Amino acid sequence: SQTIHQWPATLVQPVGSPLSLECTVEGTSNPNLYWYRQAAGRGLQLLFYSVGIGQISSEVPQNLSASRPQDRQFILSSKKLLLSDSGFYLCAWSVGFVYEQYFGPGTRLTVT
Amino acid sequence: SQELEQSPQSLIVQEGKNLTINCTSSKTLYGLYWYKQKYGEGLIFLMMLQKGGEEKSHEKITAKLDEKKQQSSLHITASQPSHAGIYLCGADGGGGNKLTFGTGTQLKVEL
Repeated sequence: SQTIHQWPATLVQPVGSPLSLECTVEGTSNPNLYWYRQAAGRGLQLLFYSVGIGQISSEVPQNLSASRPQDRQFILSSKKLLLSDSGFYLCAWSVGFVYEQYFGPGTRLTVT
Repeated sequence: SQELEQSPQSLIVQEGKNLTINCTSSKTLYGLYWYKQKYGEGLIFLMMLQKGGEEKSHEKITAKLDEKKQQSSLHITASQPSHAGIYLCGADGGGGNKLTFGTGTQLKVEL
């Protein structure tokens, strides 16, 4: 069966510090991978998606970046965090239908 | 780009009451998906609507798609505490590789 892992679960970082969030998927090959951000109680904002290794599409211009060094690994990074980067970050994967996305447990990031 | 506006933004109902959540698109809907999210967790796919006038039900949750109005509604009958969470609508964001999600509706069910 397929499994998706995200870590860390929670993170508190000072403004200006770097960020690295990791997402890995098990049990499937060549998935589409997605990074979303969610403000408290609100909808999801698509940040990046990837259809293959090294292929990253950016949806929102910002100080975040994403990389896909391996087929089932998706990394969200920042060189210098801003207060506005605080939020709940979700990773998801899909194969086949785009609506059938499977989400990780999320990372709650607080920038102080 | 397509935008999905949900209403209400938040909702508090007493257990046993019915409720409706709406999702309105800025563009023509060719398919609409509903998801539920518990606080601090990922999304769970509820159902997909593909045709105008289509209606689907899952347990006590019914969703309809009105293509002419570019709108979908989600109706919960006899709400229970287990229905509490954030409900999100989603639509194909273009190219078949990404989704656009709605603004979300936070539902609380009081005993």
